[in-house]
Amino acid sequence: DTGVSQDPRHKITKRGQNVTFRCDPISEHNRLYWYRQTLGQGPEFLTYFQNEAQLEKSRLLSDRFSAERPKGSFSTLEIQRTEQGDSAMYLCASSLAVGRGSYGYTFGSGTRLTVV
Amino acid sequence: SQQGEEDPQALSIQEGENATMNCSYKTSINNLQWYRQNSGRGLVHLILIRSNEREKHSGRLRVTLDTSKKSSSLLITASRAADTASYFCATAISGTGNQFYFGTGTSLTVIP
Repeated sequence: DTGVSQDPRHKITKRGQNVTFRCDPISEHNRLYWYRQTLGQGPEFLTYFQNEAQLEKSRLLSDRFSAERPKGSFSTLEIQRTEQGDSAMYLCASSLAVGRGSYGYTFGSGTRLTVV
Repeated sequence: SQQGEEDPQALSIQEGENATMNCSYKTSINNLQWYRQNSGRGLVHLILIRSNEREKHSGRLRVTLDTSKKSSSLLITASRAADTASYFCATAISGTGNQFYFGTGTSLTVIP
């Protein structure tokens, strides 16, 4: 297991198209997170899963965004009817939660989305 | 929305000098973490400090936490050119889910 993998690394799409990103977390990690990062800013939380359950969604996650983690392993993030404002780096992270404890995230390298 | 704010926004030092970055946050936290990000890449976890801890060390890194002032600092000693990156603090807020809130980052440049 070499860490968190994200695919694709880069995606250029025309406005109005749908895009889907994939994240493969570290296999032992039960939590998976999606963040969005625009240039010069820190990552902003979008949503997170504990196993297959989506437990929290940010208000940033409009109804054009949907995330799934069907078997509690990999996750997909889909953006429908993309807009230029969706252009950003989409980061996936995973972590292991034990009891009430939480540990540092391991981030993937991200998917850079450009909407033209 | 950003929970934390790093200070300074940008820092430029000579190799061998120490670099200090500060992070302030707004609400009670469970823990605070520092991450590093090289340009265009994902974030790398550096160190986690829990709300009941005041100081932690990891190699050339020293992190302090003052919950009464809602602030943390990251000290990198004997900096190297390879330390050039953006550094972010992230807070796990008490009573919320397990997401972390990131600040806007400090861009560190270490001049060889």
